[in-house]
Amino acid sequence: QITLKESGPTLVKPTQTLTLTCSFSGFSLKNKNVAVGWIRQPPGKALEWLALIYWNDNTRHTPSLNTRLTVTKDTSKNQVVLTMTNMDPVDTATYYCAHILYDSWSGYYVGFDTWGQGALVVVSS
Amino acid sequence: ELVMTQSPATLSVSPGESATLSCGASQGISSNLAWYQQKPGQSPRLLIYATSTRAAGIPARFSGSGSGTEFTLTISSLQSEDSAVYYCQQYSNWPPIFTFGPGTKVDIK
Repeated sequence: QITLKESGPTLVKPTQTLTLTCSFSGFSLKNKNVAVGWIRQPPGKALEWLALIYWNDNTRHTPSLNTRLTVTKDTSKNQVVLTMTNMDPVDTATYYCAHILYDSWSGYYVGFDTWGQGALVVVSS
Repeated sequence: ELVMTQSPATLSVSPGESATLSCGASQGISSNLAWYQQKPGQSPRLLIYATSTRAAGIPARFSGSGSGTEFTLTISSLQSEDSAVYYCQQYSNWPPIFTFGPGTKVDIK
């Protein structure tokens, strides 16, 4: 059974850097074709994909936030860490990490099949 | 930049009826489309990927269709537990990008 859980600060000040940790079980980021993603959701609004990291350490970010995001992994701890710099009140959202489903038939990463419970992050002075 | 749209914004349906949700892409995405269900206070749940393939454990009354720029999620025999916001999401392999639509809220009368 795959589980994921986000942890980190609930409140950050504008211009600060946010660091969120995703702790997971039931799979390993050492294994080929495994990937973990980050998605956020402002209160009452839609989902927004932020970034992902693959088993081979390659990472991808949404273009609009590319310069602010960093994703790393610690396979020994089964953790993925998201760092977002220069936080602003518009970044207030619930941040989710999720396991990405790899469809071996098409060779595509098709979506997020298991999600963490989410971590609400409020940006305010 | 690819943009996803969804209609209607809100849909009110009686129990036992069917609901048809639409999703559009600003450019062709082949069959690279997924659907999610999100109930209040919960994390999203993957329903369908590759336009019409149900994810593990998803009942057959959820079905998807379409290709190119227009897609549909059909929920048949609606139950009270289907009250939720439904999001479509496109995916691409290179560059790897996931783009969500704005969502459709389904209310059960």
